[in-house]
Amino acid sequence: AQSVSQHNHHVILSEAASLELGCNYSYGGTVNLFWYVQYPGQHLQLLLKYFSGDPLVKGIKGFEAEFIKSKFSFNLRKPSVQWSDTAEYFCAVNERYGNKLVFGAGTILRVKS
Amino acid sequence: DVKVTQSSRYLVKRTGEKVFLECVQDMDHENMFWYRQDPGLGLRLIYFSYDVKMKEKGDIPEGYSVSREKKERFSLILESASTNQTSMYLCASGGLAGGPSSYNEQFFGPGTRLTVL
Repeated sequence: AQSVSQHNHHVILSEAASLELGCNYSYGGTVNLFWYVQYPGQHLQLLLKYFSGDPLVKGIKGFEAEFIKSKFSFNLRKPSVQWSDTAEYFCAVNERYGNKLVFGAGTILRVKS
Repeated sequence: DVKVTQSSRYLVKRTGEKVFLECVQDMDHENMFWYRQDPGLGLRLIYFSYDVKMKEKGDIPEGYSVSREKKERFSLILESASTNQTSMYLCASGGLAGGPSSYNEQFFGPGTRLTVL
């Protein structure tokens, strides 16, 4: 079965620090890749997605992610975090013609002001 | 804006009770999903439905059932609630008719925090 690994469960950063959250998946075929974010008390919402084309995708709020097929990775980055980025971040993968998303365990990011 | 609504934000039930969680979406999506979210485990798929009256088991279906009588509504049923079903339950929808459903992201409801005593 497909699995998704997120490398860190908790990350604490100061404002203006750079962020990189790791995500690796196990499926060897063609996949769609997603990062979702859940701000405190809010719905899970889509941050960015990759289906095909340019492996560097840009999402909302200055986030970007890079798909590296050879490493089965889809790491999330932001050059300078803000206090408002405090949230839980989930990486998710589905097979190209499948309905189901497989989620990682999540990374809780706390940004200190 | 896509809207996925869930019937309750918080629910407290007793062991052995039958529990119904309801989810409604307003975007004519084909697919609907029920997940449970637990700290350190991420989201785990319980059941999903790709059409009215159709359902498929997810990764953790034991102790749950579902019902989809109308396209916009997807219900999760706990036949006899147990304490290990205390969790946050998330409903999601996605996928439009005629499109490659896997290309469409899922849209999530606010969640129902269920406590079983």
